[in-house]
Amino acid sequence: EAGVVQSPRYKIIEKKQPVAFWCNPISGHNTLYWYLQNLGQGPELLIRYENEEAVDDSQLPKDRFSAERLKGVDSTLKIQPAELGDSAVYLCASSLLTSGGIQETQYFGPGTRLLVL
Amino acid sequence: AQKITQTQPGMFVQEKEAVTLDCTYDTSDPSYGLFWYKQPSSGEMIFLIYQGSYDQQNATEGRYSLNFQKARKSANLVISASQLGDSAMYFCAMREGGQKLVFGQGTRLTINP
Repeated sequence: EAGVVQSPRYKIIEKKQPVAFWCNPISGHNTLYWYLQNLGQGPELLIRYENEEAVDDSQLPKDRFSAERLKGVDSTLKIQPAELGDSAVYLCASSLLTSGGIQETQYFGPGTRLLVL
Repeated sequence: AQKITQTQPGMFVQEKEAVTLDCTYDTSDPSYGLFWYKQPSSGEMIFLIYQGSYDQQNATEGRYSLNFQKARKSANLVISASQLGDSAMYFCAMREGGQKLVFGQGTRLTINP
């Protein structure tokens, strides 16, 4: 079974440029997460989707970050314009929210390492 | 307030020895879940083991076991017979309210040959 797929794996851009990251979750997983991981830290949630609905985006800096999950499968996270402090690893994860309301284990993709110069 | 605390920034262990990675947590929710993930240098977070707050027995998965002490709010990961490939960052995480995962700062484990 394929895991969570992310692309690109690495991205180097100059500050003020836009950048986008793509995530394809595990087949059948209805919940998708984007996390930010700064160097030497644990991941922090940016946004959580249940199907196509963003149910928790309280930690997403909405002035420059945006995300979408139009058909409830793939998702894109965008930064525009990027700042030096955005250099980090962006992780995507997915899980299954059961009909009984149980959120099962989250599985992560390999991440996208962003460097803003 | 820190919800997940991992007090060991780094651990060095000889190959084949057992190692315990510490994790304490803070929650007032009676229903929660505790997770351990491994993150090698490649960057991917690999799920290792899960313990539910109502589980009566400590979770085990192969060489991994979770020493769950509910009254002390600790969920230490024990790796038996360590291998060189166990060298990685290890993160403890808690899910409360059934939804969001909160991670600790991580412990860097190095296995020496």
